[in-house]
Amino acid sequence: GAVVSQHPSRVICKSGTSVKIECRSLDFQATTMFWYRQFPKQSLMLMATSNEGSKATYEQGVEKDKFLINHASLTLSTLTVTSAHPEDSSFYICSASGIWVGRGYTFGSGTRLTVV
Amino acid sequence: QQQVKQSPQSLIVQKGGISIINCAYENTAFDYFPWYQQFPGKGPALLIAIRPDVSEKKEGRFTISFNKSAKQFSLHIMDSQPGDSATYFCAASNTGNQFYFGTGTSLTVIP
Repeated sequence: GAVVSQHPSRVICKSGTSVKIECRSLDFQATTMFWYRQFPKQSLMLMATSNEGSKATYEQGVEKDKFLINHASLTLSTLTVTSAHPEDSSFYICSASGIWVGRGYTFGSGTRLTVV
Repeated sequence: QQQVKQSPQSLIVQKGGISIINCAYENTAFDYFPWYQQFPGKGPALLIAIRPDVSEKKEGRFTISFNKSAKQFSLHIMDSQPGDSATYFCAASNTGNQFYFGTGTSLTVIP
């Protein structure tokens, strides 16, 4: 149980375009979803926390207008990278927690974004 | 400010040996300490976790040792195997379920 599906696994986009990444909890209700960014050989950096039906809370230094997060249902959260630039190229990972899942996060498999 | 400090950054162990990764924290409000295993191109997967009311937890070849007074915890991988080669992250969270991750340890187990 407690499976989180993230899609797409890889995406290449042109500079200036927008990209949407989906994160779904398949077998539980995710009351909270988290979005992380990970650079090569580095740790996970929390970008934002979103609760279903509420606006996301962004970490300091993360541009909320650039990284749009929507958590419209208990099983789906999306991250949209708007007007992507090469420096946005990174590995994006979502995770979800729910009432019945326990304290540990369940992570998605990640999305490798390359902006050319 | 790094809430959770992890060492070493990389580790090479012979097959069958013991891999030890250490973490330290400052915030006494943390009450849940998980370890995650991450393979290249994949998201982290929960490996084992401990709460501060116990000093040790063992699951198979993986053991967490926890020292509350020193605010340190470590992961021990017994009988390390090449398949254990991955990056390991420690983490700590508070009751608000805010997680803070260590910087990661790249483990290589050589046959």
